[in-house]
Amino acid sequence: EVQLVESGGGLVKPGGSLRLSCVASGFTFRNAYMTWVRQAPGRGLEWVGRIRSRADGGAADSAAPLNGRFTVSRDDSESTLYLQMNNLKTEDTALYYCSGAFSWGQGTPVTVSS
Amino acid sequence: DIQMTQSPSTLSASVGDRVTITCRASQAIGAWLAWHQQKPGKAPKFLIYKASILQSGVPSRFSGSGSGTEFTLTISSLQPDDFATYYCQHQDGVFGQGTRLEIK
Repeated sequence: EVQLVESGGGLVKPGGSLRLSCVASGFTFRNAYMTWVRQAPGRGLEWVGRIRSRADGGAADSAAPLNGRFTVSRDDSESTLYLQMNNLKTEDTALYYCSGAFSWGQGTPVTVSS
Repeated sequence: DIQMTQSPSTLSASVGDRVTITCRASQAIGAWLAWHQQKPGKAPKFLIYKASILQSGVPSRFSGSGSGTEFTLTISSLQPDDFATYYCQHQDGVFGQGTRLEIK
């Protein structure tokens, strides 16, 4: 059974940083493209970023409106996906999901507030 | 950048109805389209990938079609469990704005 478990969310002040993690199991992580998605309260799903498998080059992309503040990375030896978030803004407040292998995690909440 | 546009934004229907949701891509994406279902307070669930392939465990009343820029999700006979919000996604990429399927 595929499992994706996110962690690392919490309360952070504007301008601060957080690193989210997503531990994967039940599939061959190194072969999977992995994605971060967020959902602000009462809003739709918003694509945050994606990382390709190493076999396909391993490149990471993030949504243009984020202006390079967020970086997606992976550690295939630990079957873990990461999202480094810098210079956080109040509008980054959301539930952050990881997705891959046709599955979703349960999300980790991030609140940016002074 | 590719944009995904869903219609309608809200759809009212009854149990047993056949419903169709449309998703349009701003440029051709082949068959790289996924559909997801989300219920209030829950994580999304993968329904369909590569435009028409049902994820394991998804009921056969769900079907997807299309390629290029126009795609559809069809539910052949609505069940009470199907009332939810549906999102299309350029697979591994951007999402449509969602279609809320509500009980008439």
